[in-house]
Amino acid sequence: NAGVTQTPKFQVLKTGQSMTLQCAQDMNHNSMYWYRQDPGMGLRLIYYSASEGTTDKGEVPNGYNVSRLNKREFSLRLESAAPSQTSVYFCASSYSDTQYFGPGTRLTVL
Amino acid sequence: GEDVEQSLFLSVREGDSSVINCTYTDSSSTYLYWYKQEPGAGLQLLTYIFSNMDMKQDQRLTVLLNKKDKHLSLRIADTQTGDSAIYFCAAGAGSYQLTFGKGTKLSVIP
Repeated sequence: NAGVTQTPKFQVLKTGQSMTLQCAQDMNHNSMYWYRQDPGMGLRLIYYSASEGTTDKGEVPNGYNVSRLNKREFSLRLESAAPSQTSVYFCASSYSDTQYFGPGTRLTVL
Repeated sequence: GEDVEQSLFLSVREGDSSVINCTYTDSSSTYLYWYKQEPGAGLQLLTYIFSNMDMKQDQRLTVLLNKKDKHLSLRIADTQTGDSAIYFCAAGAGSYQLTFGKGTKLSVIP
């Protein structure tokens, strides 16, 4: 039982490049989330998916898109990366009230 | 919206008790969580309390909730060097709507 997994662990992009961050959970959770963590800012919600087939914007959705591919997988796409998107990205999932987090993806945009 | 505040740093001696404090602004927050983040890792759920409770104890951890003052605290008894980490308080009216504090960095002095 791996919990929440994220790939890649590290990524360096040039401004304007695109990439997709992958997240999968094996806990049969309905809800999944994408956060970014910046120094001194805590965690901020980018997008969430309450159930398969639905997605909603969080606090900081601009510059991102998401896909809830199936119940297990929730991906985050940066279409045209900007230096302001340098951050650590965390995926989480929940069944009812409690969110469980993946190990994170450290993204640097040059 | 909800705002969650924590002090940024706490330093304690090994064997002492640590108390990490958190305040939140939205009285409708019914779910209150403490997460632990070790360097380079994701967030690990430590414990949680619902707003209809005043206290919850789980081994070395004690959570106290003062609903009137919207104040939450986490006490770690017999603090060990392995407890050194960043501790996040999170509050929300539902698991889709968690707001995280900026985190308190706990340093344990041997």
